[in-house]
Amino acid sequence: DAGVTQSPTHLIKTRGQQVTLRCSPKSGHDTVSWYQQALGQGPQFIFQYYEEEERQRGNFPDRFSGHQFPNYSSELNVNALLLGDSALYLCASSAPREGTDTQYFGPGTRLTVL
Amino acid sequence: RKEVEQDPGPFNVPEGATVAFNCTYSNSASQSFFWYRQDCRKEPKLLMSVYSSGNEDGRFTAQLNRASQYISLLIRDSKLSDSATYLCVVNSDSNYQLIWGAGTKLIIKP
Repeated sequence: DAGVTQSPTHLIKTRGQQVTLRCSPKSGHDTVSWYQQALGQGPQFIFQYYEEEERQRGNFPDRFSGHQFPNYSSELNVNALLLGDSALYLCASSAPREGTDTQYFGPGTRLTVL
Repeated sequence: RKEVEQDPGPFNVPEGATVAFNCTYSNSASQSFFWYRQDCRKEPKLLMSVYSSGNEDGRFTAQLNRASQYISLLIRDSKLSDSATYLCVVNSDSNYQLIWGAGTKLIIKP
């Protein structure tokens, strides 16, 4: 049973560029949440996708957008990258229909913006 | 006040000692509580869910005090492999969003 997978594992971009990060949820999970984790901080909620729609959003600007596909996989897009966007981006999947909101995390994508 | 607050750490303790982590949360409507463990440069991994009655898993015990909006994690007979950052997590009142503490780093010394 594959867990949550993310790609790429590492990425280096320059300011102003755009980036797309990808996530495949754990088998049987239909909900995907994205988090940004800066060094020495806890993860910060970006948004959550369910049934191909953004269900809730944290305090992140519109430069951060996402998508969920029919197979439940998801993408996080960040436009006009800033130096402060450098962080570990974590994807977590869950299955609230099963009565639990426990989230399982992928290994993350470490984004460096130069 | 932060929504979820943890001891800033780091905690440096000798192997075999008992370690206690504390966490307070601000949203009285929160219903789900978790402790996650995160190793350096790795993703967080679920350690325990926290139930109202308290729960134990081997050397780990988690407790919840709803009246005080306080969660604790106790690690007994600590091992070198317990060295990690421990994150307290609480769901928001919308139930979709998890709110994370900044984490407390634990270093177990031989």
